[in-house]
Amino acid sequence: GEDVEQSLFLSVREGDSSVINCTYTDSSSTYLYWYKQEPGAGLQLLTYIFSNMDMKQDQRLTVLLNKKDKHLSLRIADTQTGDSAIYFCAEVEGTALIFGKGTTLSVSS
Amino acid sequence: DADVTQTPRNRITKTGKRIMLECSQTKGHDRMYWYRQDPGLGLQLIYYSFDVKDINKGEISDGYSVSRQAQAKFSLSLESAIPNQTALYFCATSVGPGEQFFGPGTRLTVL
Repeated sequence: GEDVEQSLFLSVREGDSSVINCTYTDSSSTYLYWYKQEPGAGLQLLTYIFSNMDMKQDQRLTVLLNKKDKHLSLRIADTQTGDSAIYFCAEVEGTALIFGKGTTLSVSS
Repeated sequence: DADVTQTPRNRITKTGKRIMLECSQTKGHDRMYWYRQDPGLGLQLIYYSFDVKDINKGEISDGYSVSRQAQAKFSLSLESAIPNQTALYFCATSVGPGEQFFGPGTRLTVL
């Protein structure tokens, strides 16, 4: 089947905005998720968006959803060194959660 | 205390050895999962369980087996480890399929 696609790397300077993009596969997905994996740790749910929404904002995080293009993005405002991590988008397919390969965000000071 | 724990955290073993990775959770969730993470490949689902009597294969179950000893415990076994099973292994739990809670991972090296 098709894969959840993400670019593998993003490098930004501290204070800049970061935008991580994802293309998902199932236009009927009800929820779409962003998970964060810090070095040496497991994944943690960062945020999610319901499919009837175009945008969700949560402090420095903004999630944008374009259902027509099956495109999901995560914007981190005022990126900090502590935001350095791997970010995974994910969608539910049947009874399973399908993850993208992850985008490694590197933040330099 | 962590909600999802995994033991061991690191393991080095030799080809052909039997290995068991254990996962325990205190979240009271029925669903439990085992994933494998390889650099650049994301997470791949090995097995999942919806309750003690319901075990399902994921996309890469060959070479692995699982046991759900109780609602809180889900173990993953490699009957005869091989070098390409060297990876980071994660256990996760959930109520539904979307919001999953992950353990800290087990780094397994097969020589």
